[in-house]
Amino acid sequence: EDKVVQSPLSLVVHEGDTVTLNCSYEVTNFRSLLWYKQEKKAPTFLFMLTSSGIEKKSGRLSSILDKKELFSILNITATQTGDSAIYLCAVELIKTSYDKVIFGPGTSLSVIP
Amino acid sequence: NAGVMQNPRHLVRRRGQEARLRCSPMKGHSHVYWYRQLPEEGLKFMVYLQKENIIDESGMPKERFSAEFPKEGPSILRIQQVVRGDSAAYFCASSPSSRVAKNIQYFGAGTRLSVL
Repeated sequence: EDKVVQSPLSLVVHEGDTVTLNCSYEVTNFRSLLWYKQEKKAPTFLFMLTSSGIEKKSGRLSSILDKKELFSILNITATQTGDSAIYLCAVELIKTSYDKVIFGPGTSLSVIP
Repeated sequence: NAGVMQNPRHLVRRRGQEARLRCSPMKGHSHVYWYRQLPEEGLKFMVYLQKENIIDESGMPKERFSAEFPKEGPSILRIQQVVRGDSAAYFCASSPSSRVAKNIQYFGAGTRLSVL
């Protein structure tokens, strides 16, 4: 059965800390891995990763994929209270007619002043 | 360009009633996905629809749940005879293509269903 696992499930840090969120997967027909940030409302897209070893970066956030070891990490440097959210990892699977996306349970990040 | 619109944002139903959740995709998007989210769990896929067609409903319970995406109007997720276990947040996402590699899914703000 295809599955996506995230760790830790929850994390509390102080402003300014650097955090690393983990995502591992066991799937067939992998196409890409996606990261989303979910605050109180809709999940918003952060990154899509398709190739191993190529870092994607957006401000203080960065992510990298290892297709051999089947995992990805999301790094957030100099955390701010606005980074508090649930971070969802998802994997896109190639299917016959469309690409299905399955999500991990998420990591709940709380950044305290 | 308005985003994915879901309504209502909050819905309270008593056991045995029907719940109707609506989703209007982004303009130009013809693909709609419904997900369910329970506390401390990720988004669980329910159903994928294109205009007037259900493409994949493998994540949707076979009884009491149904979904449609008519030619005109929003996509509807319908839950008949709701039970307490149906209480959850239901998210809708849309994309202009079925291939996520080309087009990311954009999410609505969700409908939070509470069954009393």
